Amino acid sequence: EPEVTQTPSHQVTQMGQEVILRCVPISNHLYFYWYRQILGQKVEFLVSFYNNEISEKSEIFDDQFSVERPDGSNFTLKIRSTKLEDSAMYFCASSADVNVAYEQYFGPGTRLTVT
Amino acid sequence: DAKTTQPPSMDCAEGRAANLPCNHSTISGNEYVYWYRQIHSQGPQYIIHGLKNNETNEMASLIITEDRKSSTLILPHATLRDTAVYYCIVRSKAAGNKLTFGGGTRVLVKP
Repeated sequence: EPEVTQTPSHQVTQMGQEVILRCVPISNHLYFYWYRQILGQKVEFLVSFYNNEISEKSEIFDDQFSVERPDGSNFTLKIRSTKLEDSAMYFCASSADVNVAYEQYFGPGTRLTVT
Repeated sequence: DAKTTQPPSMDCAEGRAANLPCNHSTISGNEYVYWYRQIHSQGPQYIIHGLKNNETNEMASLIITEDRKSSTLILPHATLRDTAVYYCIVRSKAAGNKLTFGGGTRVLVKP
């Protein structure tokens, strides 16, 4: 069964460093998302991406964040200068269509720890 | 998206059916009801979704009331591996294509 994969599973970085989280969406999906979950809190939407453009972003997704689809298979989330409060689980998701009738499938997540 | 209300927690006996309620009294006609679950800190797992009709797949059944103001997710034979937080989410095109997670119901399946 096709699945979303994410690497690394755990990333430790120092405050102020740049990190890139990687995702491989399901192969025939066209819409990609990033969510995050701070420990003990709700899953929060960050950004959606389609056709090499951001479709929607939340207030959390400020200028420190960027997304890219560098090739036909990868989807990345970059945090330019990490802060302690960026420590969280980051989940990538993909869907075949943006229509709300189409479900989103999530990857296993990357645990980001900023020290 | 319409707001959903779920009980914060519930227990279920292994092998029995688990019935998880969700209230979405402000749902509008073009909004879908989605169910996801999250086992520990893993990625949310899609379970099922529906608009008006009841739906069934290999994981669960979704029963939506006729007025669409509430729904029930049924896990027909709960196993210990079904212990998770279950999220009922209402999605509409107008609210964008994101999923908005609430607190969910923490389900504990007991032997």
